[in-house]
Amino acid sequence: EIVMTQSPATLSVSPGERATLSCRVSQSVSTNLAWYQQKPGQAPRLLIYGASTRAPGIPTRFSGSGSGTEFTLTISSLQSEDFAVYYCHQYNKWPPYTFGQGSKLEI
Amino acid sequence: EVQLVQSGAEVRKPGESLRISCKTSGYSFTNYWIGWVRQMPGKGLEWMGIFYPADSDARYSSSFQGQVTMSADNSITTAYLQWATLKASDTAMYYCTRMGAAGDYWGQGTPVTVSS
Repeated sequence: EIVMTQSPATLSVSPGERATLSCRVSQSVSTNLAWYQQKPGQAPRLLIYGASTRAPGIPTRFSGSGSGTEFTLTISSLQSEDFAVYYCHQYNKWPPYTFGQGSKLEI
Repeated sequence: EVQLVQSGAEVRKPGESLRISCKTSGYSFTNYWIGWVRQMPGKGLEWMGIFYPADSDARYSSSFQGQVTMSADNSITTAYLQWATLKASDTAMYYCTRMGAAGDYWGQGTPVTVSS
């Protein structure tokens, strides 16, 4: 099974600052990597797929990069609504798809 | 508009059976995989399995193989997740998701509580 390791587990930042979240994968997944945002009591929301393509309706302050085993989600200028938990997800290989353990972005 | 609408909250006793549903609309149901994801209280997301309605191809994560069954009724564009024998450890939120560009659309989740 492919193992996904996200860092940091928790990131404390202020509104307006830049946030960078990392996802390391135990074996290459090419660019078959997605990022999701989840707020309390809500379903996950797709932000990025194909490692760097924003999903429809996602603000341009969200950007993804990387390929192979190292990936990054960057939020260029944090808004209050961005404080949430973020998960990376590889869909290169089944079985099974895997999620990272999540990174919490807090004020 | 693509929508996935899941069935409501369930409370069951250990040993009971359960089937939850994911009613889809706004796209060609048989052309996309449906994924099921578990989220235990206060925990992260786990892939349970994926299901292809066109040919009923069901693929399970090893942790869930033999524990749940995925299925669908193409005539009503609805996917199902079922348990034959629930355990207390099945208490969780369960999500369905359409696997388009990754998990591009999600249901709102079905909370399942298993308690004696």
